[in-house]
Amino acid sequence: AQSVTQPDIHITVSEGASLELRCNYSYGATPYLFWYVQSPGQGLQLLLKYFSGDTLVQGIKGFEAEFKRSQSSFNLRKPSVHWSDAAEYFCAVGAPSGGSYIPTFGRGTSLIVHP
Amino acid sequence: DAGVIQSPRHEVTEMGQEVTLRCKPISGHDYLFWYRQTMMRGLELLIYFNNNVPIDDSGMPEDRFSAKMPNASFSTLKIQPSEPRDSAVYFCASSVRTGGDYGYTFGSGTRLTVV
Repeated sequence: AQSVTQPDIHITVSEGASLELRCNYSYGATPYLFWYVQSPGQGLQLLLKYFSGDTLVQGIKGFEAEFKRSQSSFNLRKPSVHWSDAAEYFCAVGAPSGGSYIPTFGRGTSLIVHP
Repeated sequence: DAGVIQSPRHEVTEMGQEVTLRCKPISGHDYLFWYRQTMMRGLELLIYFNNNVPIDDSGMPEDRFSAKMPNASFSTLKIQPSEPRDSAVYFCASSVRTGGDYGYTFGSGTRLTVV
């Protein structure tokens, strides 16, 4: 079965600093990978996804992520963090099931942004 | 498109009462998922449907939980009788495969409190 590990429960950065959130997955084949963001009291919003092709994927809000098969990782990055980026970030791996890809989520990383 | 619509946004009920959560997926999406989010367990997949048919309900915690999808535009998750440990945020998501892309969209969730 597939699984996702987000090693950092909390990350604190200063506004304007760069950001990298870690994600490691376990899956036997080429995975379908996602990053979602959840603001307080809100649902999950898709930031970006990887299915195939270029291993560096661009998402919304200036985020990008790089798929590294050798490291089983899909880390999320942003060159300059804004205060509005403070939220919970979830990495997910989708495995094929019943004709679709069913996301399994990590436990999330809470991003705190200091002014 | 209005997105995935869940109702109610908040529900407070007494232990032993029946609770019904509702979801309207995005029109044209043929997969519907119910997730539960708690601090202790993170995001858990409860059940998912394809073309209104339940495909995998292995995540449903016990017989007190049931889900239905009578048509392509409506699904319910029912808890009867409810217990305090059912308190969580329940998310509905829908998706469709377009080419090689699987577009998952989440609703804003229902925050359930059982007292």
